[in-house]
Amino acid sequence: EPEVTQTPSHQVTQMGQEVILRCVPISNHLYFYWYRQILGQKVEFLVSFYNNEISEKSEIFDDQFSVERPDGSNFTLKIRSTKLEDSAMYFCASREGFSTDTQYFGPGTRLTVL
Amino acid sequence: GQQLNQSPQSMFIQEGEDVSMNCTSSSIFNTWLWYKQDPGEGPVLLIALYKAGELTSNGRLTAQFGITRKDSFLNISASIPSDVGIYFCAGPLRDSGNTPLVFGKGTRLSVIA
Repeated sequence: EPEVTQTPSHQVTQMGQEVILRCVPISNHLYFYWYRQILGQKVEFLVSFYNNEISEKSEIFDDQFSVERPDGSNFTLKIRSTKLEDSAMYFCASREGFSTDTQYFGPGTRLTVL
Repeated sequence: GQQLNQSPQSMFIQEGEDVSMNCTSSSIFNTWLWYKQDPGEGPVLLIALYKAGELTSNGRLTAQFGITRKDSFLNISASIPSDVGIYFCAGPLRDSGNTPLVFGKGTRLSVIA
């Protein structure tokens, strides 16, 4: 069964460093999302992406964040200068098309900022 | 914005028992999604509900889309140790378009063998 994949599974970085989190959405899906989950809390929306541009972003998604679909399969989240409070699980999700709200999530990348 | 309230927050049950948890909202949802999250993993879709009153099963799991469209229930029958995890309800933030999902805070299930 097709699934969303994410790399790396765990990323440790120093505060102020740039990180890039990678995702491969399900191949025939058209809508892509990034969410994050701070330890012990609920999943929160960061950004949605469709047709090679951002559709919507939350207040969490400030100028330090950017997303890109550099080729036909990858979808990346970049944090330009990480802060301690960026430590969280980051999940990529994809959705097939307009007719369904169902999103499928990847296994996540645990980001630890020291 | 839309908020989802899940209850209970956590539950401890004996293996073999049935489990019931629910999710409510102050606003109407047109889709209800139930996910399970194992520690250190991503949410895995269990059941998707698209119609008010709909009752859908997936193995030992059964979920219902409340008739008011403001609530949903998830039941697990004959629980087993691998049912341990956090169960989240989720729904689309808006009725249409490329809408993100909003999640509840989850129900943490522990199963005692």
